Amino acid sequence: KAGVTQTPRYLIKTRGQQVTLSCSPISGHRSVSWYQQTPGQGLQFLFEYFSETQRNKGNFPGRFSGRQFSNSRSEMNVSTLELGDSALYLCASSPPRLAGYQETQYFGPGTRLLVL
Amino acid sequence: ELKVEQNPLFLSMQEGKNYTIYCNYSTTSDRLYWYRQDPGKSLESLFVLLSNGAVKQEGRLMASLDTKARLSTLHITAAVHDLSATYFCAVDIRRNSGYALNFGKGTSLLVTP
Repeated sequence: KAGVTQTPRYLIKTRGQQVTLSCSPISGHRSVSWYQQTPGQGLQFLFEYFSETQRNKGNFPGRFSGRQFSNSRSEMNVSTLELGDSALYLCASSPPRLAGYQETQYFGPGTRLLVL
Repeated sequence: ELKVEQNPLFLSMQEGKNYTIYCNYSTTSDRLYWYRQDPGKSLESLFVLLSNGAVKQEGRLMASLDTKARLSTLHITAAVHDLSATYFCAVDIRRNSGYALNFGKGTSLLVTP
């Protein structure tokens, strides 16, 4: 079974630009979550999508947005990039949560974004 | 606000030794996760702990959960170099039946000969 894939793997942008990152979940997984990882703040939850609807959202400004398509693929967008947005952006997919079952989130390789 | 605290943040240990990583969290959660991250790589799931008293073991790693104390431990037995990595615990805030993992800062483990 193919894992979570993310594109692009590396990206360099300048301040003020916008960027779109893409994530393809594991086949059959309908939940897709996004996380930002930086040396200073660590791993922080951005948002989660399920069946094309945002189900959970972290404490990030409105510049960070996302969406999910009918095939469960997801994109996240960051507008008006700031230097502090430089990070590794990780996407994770999950099977449906069932009470008492040990589902987990499966992470993709990440997109490393550098903002200059 | 949920806080997830790991300690130690850095750990250098000799091969063959035992050690424990601690993960404290500040609010009720029904799930706790342990992940491993190698340098420049993504996160690999190690354990999912669902209930009080849960204990899981895989090779030289054993994780446990005490929901009353809001504490999870990751015990390393007879460490080997291949275990060198950063280990994260994460607590799942139950929101709308979905996922919203709150991670600790991670424990960077270096196993030396």
